Amino acid sequence: AQKITQTQPGMFVQEKEAVTLDCTYDTSDPSYGLFWYKQPSSGEMIFLIYQGSYDQQNATEGRYSLNFQKARKSANLVISASQLGDSAMYFCAMREGLVLTGGGNKLTFGTGTQLKVEL
Amino acid sequence: EAQVTQNPRYLITVTGKKLTVTCSQNMNHEYMSWYRQDPGLGLRQIYYSMNVEVTDKGDVPEGYKVSRKEKRNFPLILESPSPNQTSLYFCASSPIPKGYEQYFGPGTRLTVT
Repeated sequence: AQKITQTQPGMFVQEKEAVTLDCTYDTSDPSYGLFWYKQPSSGEMIFLIYQGSYDQQNATEGRYSLNFQKARKSANLVISASQLGDSAMYFCAMREGLVLTGGGNKLTFGTGTQLKVEL
Repeated sequence: EAQVTQNPRYLITVTGKKLTVTCSQNMNHEYMSWYRQDPGLGLRQIYYSMNVEVTDKGDVPEGYKVSRKEKRNFPLILESPSPNQTSLYFCASSPIPKGYEQYFGPGTRLTVT
């Protein structure tokens, strides 16, 4: 079974509008972390935001926020006030378990959502 | 500047010709790993290392080797590359236990003809 599902292969949004990128995950481990990365056309992976499974509040980093709904196993990324520079591929990823265990820091990635910001 | 570097950034090679992609980090991180990225599949882990001389297989280790003789370096070795190893490769590192900090290298685009 897919551990990370991103159901939107592509999204369009107008500049200055907010956009939500969907991510659902599947794990039976109570300890896990959820990540979002941005990959522009140049190819590098840019870390955006992190949410731990025990964090009480939704994570925020500038214009990025993570809408964490634990019971629904969803971790949607919200980008407010979209900019042209936000056009990129966005990946949701999950790390299961504790870091100190063997393989504990593996990130399992979704297939990505291509976001295009339009004027 | 804290960073993960990879070399080469681009490589075109032929089937069967051994190659090494280097990865180096200057943050004294214990954990390092290699991923490959293919269209429609996201990133998949190839190998990882928890520290010097400690390595283990990820999800797609076939056709690859790694070594960790020094903390800062984690080279990826393709002994006999094949066309199905054409991909974009990323090296990543993170400290233990702050595993939520994961730093990626700039990527190496490999084409095997």
